Amino acid sequence: RKEVEQDPGPFNVPEGATVAFNCTYSNSASQSFFWYRQDCRKEPKLLMSVYSSGNEDGRFTAQLNRASQYMSLLIRDSKLSDSATYLCVVNTLDSNYQLIWGAGTKLIIKP
Amino acid sequence: EAGVTQSPTHLIKTRGQQATLRCSPISGHTSVYWYQQALGLGLQFLLWYDEGEERNRGNFPPRFSGRQFPNYSSELNVNALELEDSALYLCASRQDRHEQFFGPGTRLTVL
Repeated sequence: RKEVEQDPGPFNVPEGATVAFNCTYSNSASQSFFWYRQDCRKEPKLLMSVYSSGNEDGRFTAQLNRASQYMSLLIRDSKLSDSATYLCVVNTLDSNYQLIWGAGTKLIIKP
Repeated sequence: EAGVTQSPTHLIKTRGQQATLRCSPISGHTSVYWYQQALGLGLQFLLWYDEGEERNRGNFPPRFSGRQFPNYSSELNVNALELEDSALYLCASRQDRHEQFFGPGTRLTVL
C-alpha cells in the first residue's frame, strides 16, 4: 500500500463547476499536511497547508480527518487556469519530517 | 527574497557521461531535497541533505550521489548516465519542519 494515495484522474470538469480531490495516508503519526499544485513541466508550488480545523483560501477549501487518515481539497467556481495536477503531501516524525508525496490528481477544466 | 535556484536549466549528455546539477536554497533554509520526475510521472525522492549531511536516500542506484556545501547549496551528480535518467530534476529547500519550496528544475536529456 502506498503511503499517500490519490486518484490519478484525470478529472474533466466544466468551467464554473465544483471539484473535490481526496487523499488518504497510511501513517497515523502524520503531523503536517499540504496541497501542492504542479503545472505541466513546471515545479510544484504550495497551494495551501491543511489544518485540523479545516481552512479556506478564496475558492479553495481544505479538510482533514485525522481519525480516518483522510484529507480533501475542494475547488469552487473552477477556472480554466485551475487545470493542473494536485499533489497531496504529508510529513511525519517517523520519517524525520521528510515529506511524503502522493502521485497527484490531474484536473482538466473545460470551457 | 530570492527563491530556490537551479542550474543549468537544460543539460544534454550522452550515455555513459557524468552530469552535475546545482541548487541554491532559499536564504536561511538548511535542508535541501532532490527529486527526479520523469515525463508524465510523479516525483521520485532522490536525496535529502541537512546541515551538510545526507539524511536520507531514495531507491536509486549509487551512481546518483550528491553533497551539501557549508553555505547549504547542493550538488547532484549522476555518473554513467543511462537513457532512462532523462527527466526533470527538482531541488527543494525547507526550513525546520515547514513546507518545501521548489526551484524551476534542471531538464536532463540523455542521448
